[in-house]
Amino acid sequence: DIQMTQSPSSLSASIGDRVTITCRASQTTSNYLNWYQQKPGKAPKLLIYAASSLQSGVPSRFSGSGSGTDFTLTISSLQPEDFATYYCQQSYSSPRTFGQGTKVEIK
Amino acid sequence: QVQLQESGPGLVKPSETLSLSCTVSGGSISPYYWSWIRQPPGKGLEWIGHIHYSGSINYSPSLESRVTISLDTSKTQFSLQLNSVTAADTAVYYCARVGYSNYNYQYMDVWGKGTTVTVSS
Repeated sequence: DIQMTQSPSSLSASIGDRVTITCRASQTTSNYLNWYQQKPGKAPKLLIYAASSLQSGVPSRFSGSGSGTDFTLTISSLQPEDFATYYCQQSYSSPRTFGQGTKVEIK
Repeated sequence: QVQLQESGPGLVKPSETLSLSCTVSGGSISPYYWSWIRQPPGKGLEWIGHIHYSGSINYSPSLESRVTISLDTSKTQFSLQLNSVTAADTAVYYCARVGYSNYNYQYMDVWGKGTTVTVSS
């Protein structure tokens, strides 16, 4: 199985801050890497697929980069609605695996 | 637009079988994969498995001995069965559609709202 490790596990940030979350895979996933946002009590929502492609309807302040084993999700200017938990997930091989999540909290 | 809705018992006794269904509305079963994912209380997401409209299936190795995913194309429904459940199977269970793009990039782009299943006597 490919293990996905996110860092940090949590962070505190202010409105308007630039936020970066990192995801590292235990072996290459090429760019078969997705990012999801989950708010409390809600289902996850797809933000980014194929490492850097923005899902339709997702604000352009979200961006993804990386390939191979190292990936990044960036929020260019944090908005109140962005406080949530973010997960990476690889779709390179089965079983599909998720990172443990990064909780973004208000400073 | 496509919507997914999970249904099934919210309480299952230990050692019994958890059975859930996911109804697909507003869209077709083909040509997609359809997934089950779960989330224990306060924890992260765990992929359970997925089924292709053609019938091809993949399961998580950690659950493979206890899980069955099936597809009923006539009802536009897919189902999850998990045998011999314990308290560790208590979780919110989500169904999701696996979208795809060029080069077979796959991603879960439509999710159900989730259903809470508690394993307790």
